[in-house]
Amino acid sequence: GENVEQHPSTLSVQEGDSAVIKCTYSDSASNYFPWYKQELGKGPQLIIDIRSNVGEKKDQRIAVTLNKTAKHFSLHITETQPEDSAVYFCAAGGRDDKIIFGKGTRLHILP
Amino acid sequence: EAQVTQNPRYLITVTGKKLTVTCSQNMNHEYMSWYRQDPGLGLRQIYYSMNVEATDKGDVPEGYKVSRKEKRNFPLILESPSPNQTSLYFCASSLKRDGYEQYFGPGTRLTVT
Repeated sequence: GENVEQHPSTLSVQEGDSAVIKCTYSDSASNYFPWYKQELGKGPQLIIDIRSNVGEKKDQRIAVTLNKTAKHFSLHITETQPEDSAVYFCAAGGRDDKIIFGKGTRLHILP
Repeated sequence: EAQVTQNPRYLITVTGKKLTVTCSQNMNHEYMSWYRQDPGLGLRQIYYSMNVEATDKGDVPEGYKVSRKEKRNFPLILESPSPNQTSLYFCASSLKRDGYEQYFGPGTRLTVT
């Protein structure tokens, strides 16, 4: 079945630096790739998503890139701030198929 | 305000005592699902529902039941809880299953002793 691998499991970056989280997926039919942010004590919340007909999408300091040939996609956060500290989940899904989540990345922004 | 609500938020119970975690959404979403979150394992789907009276197993359905009698409600039932069901549970809803944002509830932390 579909599998989504996410790396790293933990990431620490200095405030102001960039953070990159990478995911790979196994089902070539996947065409929807959302990223969720989970703050402490809360449920995950969608921060950005990308569909297979585009290779990159940006929203202020957050960007996602997709390489369908290699079946991997990445989340890029630039100019990191303390409020970016959270757990981030990637996911993959598609037509007639459910969303599969990666295991999550705990991002620490160091002062 | 568009939201998914869950109750209770915290629950400590004993092995074998039946419990229900309620979930409700006010967005008229067709698709609802339950996940459990455990350290190092991420979010694993327990059950999902494509619409009223349409439920199906996810990846880890053993020991759980669900029902979908109304569009807005999707309760999770543990008939005979066991310690390995100690976890953080999330209900989520989306307009449809495929390719739509999922809205998550605030979570229910369950401890079974």
